[in-house]
Amino acid sequence: DTAVSQTPKYLVTQMGNDKSIKCEQNLGHDTMYWYKQDSKKFLKIMFSYNNKELIINETVPNRFSPKSPDKAHLNLHINSLELGDSAVYFCASSQGVQSTDTQYFGPGTRLTVL
Amino acid sequence: GDSVTQMEGPVTLSEEAFLTINCTYTATGYPSLFWYVQYPGEGLQLLLKATKADDKGSNKGFEATYRKETTSFHLEKGSVQVSDSAVYFCALRMIKAAGNKLTFGGGTRVLVKP
Repeated sequence: DTAVSQTPKYLVTQMGNDKSIKCEQNLGHDTMYWYKQDSKKFLKIMFSYNNKELIINETVPNRFSPKSPDKAHLNLHINSLELGDSAVYFCASSQGVQSTDTQYFGPGTRLTVL
Repeated sequence: GDSVTQMEGPVTLSEEAFLTINCTYTATGYPSLFWYVQYPGEGLQLLLKATKADDKGSNKGFEATYRKETTSFHLEKGSVQVSDSAVYFCALRMIKAAGNKLTFGGGTRVLVKP
């Protein structure tokens, strides 16, 4: 069984469009994250939700809006896509926010903006 | 702010060679330290971790020791296999950081040739 899943795996779209990436975890975790990995493989956190509440927002443009309908899902909606948004987006989850809580990552969504 | 610096890759090795990937960190307190591995086309997986000075994390033949005096967490493996070809990320997490936030290094690509 897949622990953290993301859809779609690949997403190709035009500049200016609005798109969403979905993430689901079946681990019963309380905390979920979105990370962005750029073309140079540099990985940086974007958002974190704990029990459906936003707890980390790392100076991400407000075109990016995460939504957590329940603890098992954290979706990422992006408005007015720009070329610089092209990257691989990883969802992750952990039991909680303690330092002993390991983060488990999804397989990633490769977003290409043309 | 907190940061992680890794040696730049790619690192190309022959099978059964010794692998070392250097990682140093800058932090205002005492972080937990991690190595994650990303195999081609997959998400990140936790490889090993250490939560306090002088701890040694180990898994799948890889080892890393938390060195507070040199603020380092170098990854080593005595005899690599082709299947170890991947991108390796060093990361830290502050014990009291809000939201269980991970700060990653830039990643080191390792290519093991038969």
